[in-house]
Amino acid sequence: QQPVQSPQAVILREGEDAVINCSSSKALYSVHWYRQKHGEAPVFLMILLKGGEQKGHEKISASFNEKKQQSSLYLTASQLSYSGTYFCGTEKPPGGGNKLTFGTGTQLKVEL
Amino acid sequence: NAGVTQTPKFQVLKTGQSMTLQCAQDMNHNSMYWYRQDPGMGLRLIYYSASEGTTDKGEVPNGYNVSRLNKREFSLRLESAAPSQTSVYFCASSEALYRLAGDNRNTGELFFGEGSRLTVL
Repeated sequence: QQPVQSPQAVILREGEDAVINCSSSKALYSVHWYRQKHGEAPVFLMILLKGGEQKGHEKISASFNEKKQQSSLYLTASQLSYSGTYFCGTEKPPGGGNKLTFGTGTQLKVEL
Repeated sequence: NAGVTQTPKFQVLKTGQSMTLQCAQDMNHNSMYWYRQDPGMGLRLIYYSASEGTTDKGEVPNGYNVSRLNKREFSLRLESAAPSQTSVYFCASSEALYRLAGDNRNTGELFFGEGSRLTVL
């Protein structure tokens, strides 16, 4: 079952902040975040692991609430280059193989 | 460094025809994946290979077969194409997190190919 992302779409002015949420109905081992620009392949942003470990992008932060099976991606001081579609990918326990189920995406557009 | 290479990038088929999508990676990863992407549906896993010689079904395997030819290559075959298989197909590779314990240089990320756009008429 796919995780649910919210919002489905958001428009920001350059410099504004945004939060994208990802929620699963099942227990999770890890949450991955990817960004995809139109006509391109998804690009890795961050992974959050059960137990609190994070790996990934230095300028983007995220949280993972294991009990609620939710993750949030925080985009601060947005830039034009942040525009694209953001996907969360979740892996259920025992995990570790990166066999992900992706959400349907959040379209982010940053304007001047 | 080529990363993940998929061929062909574009293909048009008629209903009932067969074809194979090729994927190769040069990062010495053990795990490889095939995803399809449809508007409003996100990325859905078709098949997965944890290592050379092993394959496993994903969320939407019906109508597809895969072969993990060696560590580098993972192909996806459509035996009898249907219009419902019109999609963009992405191959990806990664190193499983359980192989990376203690190695902070690697993140377990999926590296995607550029995609193959398939249209079935």
